[in-house]
Amino acid sequence: QVQLQESGPGLVRPSGTLSLTCDVSGASISGSDWWSWFRQSPGQGLEWIGEIYHSGITNYNPSLKSRVTMSVDKSKNQFSLRLSSVTAADTAIYYCARRYYYDGSDPYSHYFDYWGQGTLVTVSS
Amino acid sequence: IQMTQSPSSLSASLGDRVTISCRTSQNINNYLNWYQHKPGKAPKLLIYAASNLQRGVPSRFSGSGSGTHFTLTISSLQPEDFATFYCQQSYLTPRTFGQGTKLEIK
Repeated sequence: QVQLQESGPGLVRPSGTLSLTCDVSGASISGSDWWSWFRQSPGQGLEWIGEIYHSGITNYNPSLKSRVTMSVDKSKNQFSLRLSSVTAADTAIYYCARRYYYDGSDPYSHYFDYWGQGTLVTVSS
Repeated sequence: IQMTQSPSSLSASLGDRVTISCRTSQNINNYLNWYQHKPGKAPKLLIYAASNLQRGVPSRFSGSGSGTHFTLTISSLQPEDFATFYCQQSYLTPRTFGQGTKLEIK
């Protein structure tokens, strides 16, 4: 069974950098899947932040691209998110998830099948 | 791609049949997934490729549609079904979701 678990500080100061890690078990981060980050701000829906492949290739949401950095640590089977220059608007529950291709011959045939439970990050002084 | 779900909230009773709509701003063929999300829990994949039931998901859930209009139907509401539902397109980056439909008990 694939499991993902987010970890990191629950409180970040304004203008600081949010750093989260997602530990993956039951699957190799070096496989054919992509590894993603999402967030849900209070009272809002799900927002895709970006994704990373084990080779280090990334795709970021243009709305956050200038502040986001993702990385992979294959030795620990984990991936990480850094979001810089945070403000109160970045207060949210942050989730990590696996993006899985159900048809390897079709580049659009994918979904997010395993998710972490989420971790609340509050930006406040 | 803009995703528009309707209704944004819905009150229904146990045993009711409910339908949630998702419209996209451009043709995405059938590259549409549906998720169920409960507070404090991880989102759960229900339907992929518009109409395919994810393994382990009860058959009372079904999806249909293609192009720009999609629907999620729950044939007979059970107590565990009350949650927020999201559609998500897998056709383009950035990956985008509808704004969610909150299903509540009447």
